[in-house]
Amino acid sequence: GAGVSQSPSNKVTEKGKDVELRCDPISGHTALYWYRQSLGQGLEFLIYFQGNSAPDKSGLPSDRFSAERTGGSVSTLTIQRTQQEDSAVYLCASSLESTSGTYEQYFGPGTRLTVT
Amino acid sequence: LAKTTQPISMDSYEGQEVNITCSHNNIATNDYITWYQQFPSQGPRFIIQGYKTKVTNEVASLFIPADRKSSTLSLPRVSLSDTAVYYCLVGAPNTGRRALTFGSGTRLQVQP
Repeated sequence: GAGVSQSPSNKVTEKGKDVELRCDPISGHTALYWYRQSLGQGLEFLIYFQGNSAPDKSGLPSDRFSAERTGGSVSTLTIQRTQQEDSAVYLCASSLESTSGTYEQYFGPGTRLTVT
Repeated sequence: LAKTTQPISMDSYEGQEVNITCSHNNIATNDYITWYQQFPSQGPRFIIQGYKTKVTNEVASLFIPADRKSSTLSLPRVSLSDTAVYYCLVGAPNTGRRALTFGSGTRLQVQP
């Protein structure tokens, strides 16, 4: 079946511009996650959506970052007034809600954002 | 936050068994241990998950001692294609950010 998809795959923008990154999770997955990965670094958690619960926004680095998830499916990560330090690969993942304590995150290919 | 500690890098040769150990001293009762693999320019991929003792699947084994303060990912007979970064995570659903903390990972380099 179809996996997690993200668009665009690459985005080059000028400093100060706003960007929107899109994530289409696997159908039926109730949980959706956004991460950021700088070159050669580990994954940095940004935000987590679980069903109809309020999202966990504790990882968003500043108020320039926001995300929404419409209809429990597609999610958009918005970065306003981009800065050069925002340059990174933005990864989206989705998972099923598990009652057994186990879960597996399925990752998309990422969006490579370059701020010039 | 649940903290995990892994070696930064490891080197191996094709055909050898590789064991990567992760320390998680403050693991909670409900926490599971999960390992992911990441190739360059790709998102991480789930490898294996366990709660205690030993778990084995078609690609790896996970060994968890009784105190659960560490775990070891075992890759049998590695090949060049196993060169990747391996992440250890500790947590459980609905525990918030604890379950979503990827450390720096272990960079495994397999040589011919």
